[in-house]
Amino acid sequence: SQKIEQNSEALNIQEGKTATLTCNYTNYSPAYLQWYRQDPGRGPVFLLLIRENEKEKRKERLKVTFDTTLKQSLFHITASQPADSATYLCALDKNNAGNMLTFGGGTRLMVKP
Amino acid sequence: NAGVMQNPRHLVRRRGQEARLRCSPMKGHSHVYWYRQLPEEGLKFMVYLQKENIIDESGMPKERFSAEFPKEGPSILRIQQVVRGDSAAYFCASSQKETGSGGEQFFGPGTRLTVL
Repeated sequence: SQKIEQNSEALNIQEGKTATLTCNYTNYSPAYLQWYRQDPGRGPVFLLLIRENEKEKRKERLKVTFDTTLKQSLFHITASQPADSATYLCALDKNNAGNMLTFGGGTRLMVKP
Repeated sequence: NAGVMQNPRHLVRRRGQEARLRCSPMKGHSHVYWYRQLPEEGLKFMVYLQKENIIDESGMPKERFSAEFPKEGPSILRIQQVVRGDSAAYFCASSQKETGSGGEQFFGPGTRLTVL
């Protein structure tokens, strides 16, 4: 069956360090992968989309890599700040038909000042 | 440009009652998606709609749940005869084009349903 796995344990890091979050998937052949941020009591907010033919994508302090051989995406936040503390979700389109995002369980990031 | 609107933000129902959740997509968006998030669990896809059409409802329970997106007005997620297990946060998202074309989904603030 199709699975998307993210580390369910919270990631605690010191302000200024780089946070790296992992998203692994099985039984998918995604054309793209998305990352979202979710704060408590709020809906997810889109951050980045990376396509299968892109190895890496950057947006300000964010960097996403996508390895279709390893079936893994890494999400990096450089120079992390306490305001980056949130739950980060990766998402795949189930059948690349543009109709259904399947989300991982999310990883909670805590950045300590 | 207002974001995705959902109301009510909080809804309390007793077992057996009906729950109606509303979602107004972003202006210009014709694709609407509903997701459910159970406590301490991830987001689960329920249904995908375009104006007046249900495109994919594979994630929605076959009984008691229904969704619509009429030509005029908001999308409605309706839960009949609610049970305690329906207690969750229900999120609506909209996109300008199908996600497969690279269009990200914009989420509303969610409706938190509590069934007593």
